[in-house]
Amino acid sequence: ETGVTQTPRHLVMGMTNKKSLKCEQHLGHNAMYWYKQSAKKPLELMFVYNFKEQTENNSVPSRFSPECPNSSHLFLHLHTLQPEDSALYLCASSQDYSGGPDIQYFGAGTRLSVL
Amino acid sequence: TQLLEQSPQFLSIQEGENLTVYCNSSSVFSSLQWYRQEPGEGPVLLVTVVTGGEVKKLKRLTFQFGDARKDSSLHITAAQPGDTGLYLCAGKEGPDDSWGKFQFGAGTQVVVTP
Repeated sequence: ETGVTQTPRHLVMGMTNKKSLKCEQHLGHNAMYWYKQSAKKPLELMFVYNFKEQTENNSVPSRFSPECPNSSHLFLHLHTLQPEDSALYLCASSQDYSGGPDIQYFGAGTRLSVL
Repeated sequence: TQLLEQSPQFLSIQEGENLTVYCNSSSVFSSLQWYRQEPGEGPVLLVTVVTGGEVKKLKRLTFQFGDARKDSSLHITAAQPGDTGLYLCAGKEGPDDSWGKFQFGAGTQVVVTP
């Protein structure tokens, strides 16, 4: 148990569906992250929120829309995804973010399949 | 282009054997981290190294940061099945902490069979 909980653990969706991924951290951290993990590729940092403000968006397509209502919760809203978006989506948190995290705590991820 | 190259991509060994995995770059890193990711879980931080030439030990795991801070290695002595997992290195590019992008390598999948 890392203190970071992601739901759902598995998600199958069609290309026309709209779904959301949820992440919650119980560590009192100020920074939260979304990563995409595809087989045999490096983890791709998608978004960073620090004190609820988005500080990084690494050229992520607009079909991925993040939301951070408070420092403990992070969402990733998905719409009109493509099959190549199928991957493991990981959420992480750290105490804060100053151009890079110190110690990150990861959730177990959501395995997304786009049909 | 991957900033951090990890090798080998896959390693399968018998219980009791030793192994070393590598993380290399042409860039300098102000700090470098090693994570282990087990199936169905997220990565878990094992160690952070910040000083060139630094060696850290965590039970049977030995981590080394290159003198020039461009590479790192992880050595496991007398591997056990519980060491099975994806070993990831990650670091912040740049000579110090004030700038640079934080990136992960693609990982080395280690399988230790009984």
